[in-house]
Amino acid sequence: QVQLVESGGGLVKPGGSLRLSCAASGFTFSDYYMSWIRQAPGKGLEWISYISNSGSSIDYADSVKGRFTISRDNAANSLYLQINSLRAEDTAVYYCAKSILVTTNFGVANNFDYWGQGTLVTVSS
Amino acid sequence: QSVLTQPPSVSAAPGQKVTISCSGSSSNIGNNYVSWYQQLPGTAPKLLIYENNKRPSGIPDRFSGSKSGTSATLGITGLQTGDEADYYCGTWDTTLSAVFGGGTKLTVL
Repeated sequence: QVQLVESGGGLVKPGGSLRLSCAASGFTFSDYYMSWIRQAPGKGLEWISYISNSGSSIDYADSVKGRFTISRDNAANSLYLQINSLRAEDTAVYYCAKSILVTTNFGVANNFDYWGQGTLVTVSS
Repeated sequence: QSVLTQPPSVSAAPGQKVTISCSGSSSNIGNNYVSWYQQLPGTAPKLLIYENNKRPSGIPDRFSGSKSGTSATLGITGLQTGDEADYYCGTWDTTLSAVFGGGTKLTVL
């Protein structure tokens, strides 16, 4: 069965950095896009980044562009998110998600079919 | 504000039917597929509906999805107390990439 396990969250001061990891199992990791999605306390979901199966295509939400870097190691079945210059508004649970992103004649089909349990990042002095 | 607009809350009695709307624009819902997610309290979201109206394996047919123009709707019939959760719509946006609605809290009275 598909499993995604995030790690690396914690308490960090404003301006600090963290590296989040997501260990994947139960599917052929190198065949799929992967994404990071976050949820601030009591708030909704916010997509922040995706990476293609080969790593050649990457995109970020404007809110994190230039500060966050997504990467993957297909040999290790792992996804990463390097987060720098942290701000209080980055406080959230960060989820990794197995992603479907397909362009068809009828539009883009984008969904997140499996999610990890999340890792909490708290930015506070 | 979210790019996709959902009602903050809906409620209905056990056994009844409820619908949750998701309104967007031609930049997102109007020209792309919609998915829906269920987030039970204290847990990660789970995919309920993809490509407007398809259910992943294991999702009961009490859950349905539809899309018309720039809006989408999630329907839940035969409501159960275990359906109490937050529900989110999601789609692709031409400018913003992946986007979600603000979420709808379902209360089963």
